[in-house]
Amino acid sequence: NAGVMQNPRHLVRRRGQEARLRCSPMKGHSHVYWYRQLPEEGLKFMVYLQKENIIDESGMPKERFSAEFPKEGPSILRIQQVVRGDSAAYFCASSPPSFHWEQFFGPGTRLTVL
Amino acid sequence: AQSVTQLDSQVPVFEEAPVELRCNYSSSVSVYLFWYVQYPNQGLQLLLKYLSGSTLVKGINGFEAEFNKSQTSFHLRKPSVHISDTAEYFCAVSQMASLGNTPLVFGKGTRLSVIA
Repeated sequence: NAGVMQNPRHLVRRRGQEARLRCSPMKGHSHVYWYRQLPEEGLKFMVYLQKENIIDESGMPKERFSAEFPKEGPSILRIQQVVRGDSAAYFCASSPPSFHWEQFFGPGTRLTVL
Repeated sequence: AQSVTQLDSQVPVFEEAPVELRCNYSSSVSVYLFWYVQYPNQGLQLLLKYLSGSTLVKGINGFEAEFNKSQTSFHLRKPSVHISDTAEYFCAVSQMASLGNTPLVFGKGTRLSVIA
């Protein structure tokens, strides 16, 4: 059973470009969480999704950030018009429906904005 | 809302010595408690978790943690560390909810450096 997959592992963008981060949850997991880790900081919750639904986006910046988890395919975190402050590691976690407290993390995508 | 405080940002310790990484939390409701480890340039790996029952929880790699409700603490301990334990350790809490999922709230992390 493969773990949580994230790609790309490293992403470099220039200011103003768009960044798309992908997350494939573990098999059988229908819940996806996105977290952001800034340098020297812990992880901060961004958004929680189930298939085709955003359940909690209280941690998402109000502008430029969006997330989706379609019926088919991976979850996508999209950052439009990136700025230097978006440089961070973005982690995805998934959990099964019956054991929602147990989140399994992917290796992360490290975004660098030049 | 919950919050987590990890009192030590860095902890250097000699190989084979014991170590304790401190974690205190704040919450108005019951919580689940977790410790994660992050090796350089990798994702987070679950070390152990407290959901209910015995307050002493044993995890992987010889780590254990004790839940102390009165002191709202969940300190992580290992009796004898190895070089390979050098990593960042994160304490996290999640609200105990009967319906739906709740996100993890993380502390800022403690960098454990094991010295040969």
